[in-house]
Amino acid sequence: SQTIHQWPATLVQPVGSPLSLECTVEGTSNPNLYWYRQAAGRGLQLLFYSVGIGQISSEVPQNLSASRPQDRQFILSSKKLLLSDSGFYLCAWSQGQPGGHEQYFGPGTRLTVT
Amino acid sequence: AQKVTQAQTEISVVEKEDVTLDCVYETRDTTYYLFWYKQPPSGELVFLIRRNSFDEQNEISGRYSWNFQKSTSSFNFTITASQVVDSAVYFCALSEGGNEKLTFGTGTRLTIIP
Repeated sequence: SQTIHQWPATLVQPVGSPLSLECTVEGTSNPNLYWYRQAAGRGLQLLFYSVGIGQISSEVPQNLSASRPQDRQFILSSKKLLLSDSGFYLCAWSQGQPGGHEQYFGPGTRLTVT
Repeated sequence: AQKVTQAQTEISVVEKEDVTLDCVYETRDTTYYLFWYKQPPSGELVFLIRRNSFDEQNEISGRYSWNFQKSTSSFNFTITASQVVDSAVYFCALSEGGNEKLTFGTGTRLTIIP
């Protein structure tokens, strides 16, 4: 069966510090991968998605970036965090093409920027 | 452009009551997919159901049922005999055609009062 891991589970970082969140999927190959952010009490905002290694689509211009160095690994990064980057970050995967498949979510990373 | 509206921000019901969560969608595609997710207090989104636009049959899974009506562009979710464990935020989502992305509604926070 497929599983999705995210780490760390929680993170407290000062403004201006770098960020690296990691997501890995097991039990499937060539998945679509997604990064979402959920601000406190708000809905889900899609940040990035990837349909293959090295293929990243950005949905929202900001100081975050994403990379997919391996088929089942998705990394969210920032060089300098802003207070507004605080939130709950969720990674998800779905079956590859064609689209329309359900997404399965990881446990999330709760980021607080101080 | 696709859009999902969950007009009910918060709902509270007493345990064992039935409750319906509304979802209205907008899309220009004739092929699309609809989803419901549950987000318990732990934060992880749990996939509940996926329906395609060509299948209007209602679905029942235990105490959960879904009513898909293309004529009103709605995909409502009913919980029968609610339980405290049903307390969560519920999200409705839409995917158009072969698109890999999901558009989420803003969610409905359901509280079951013991």
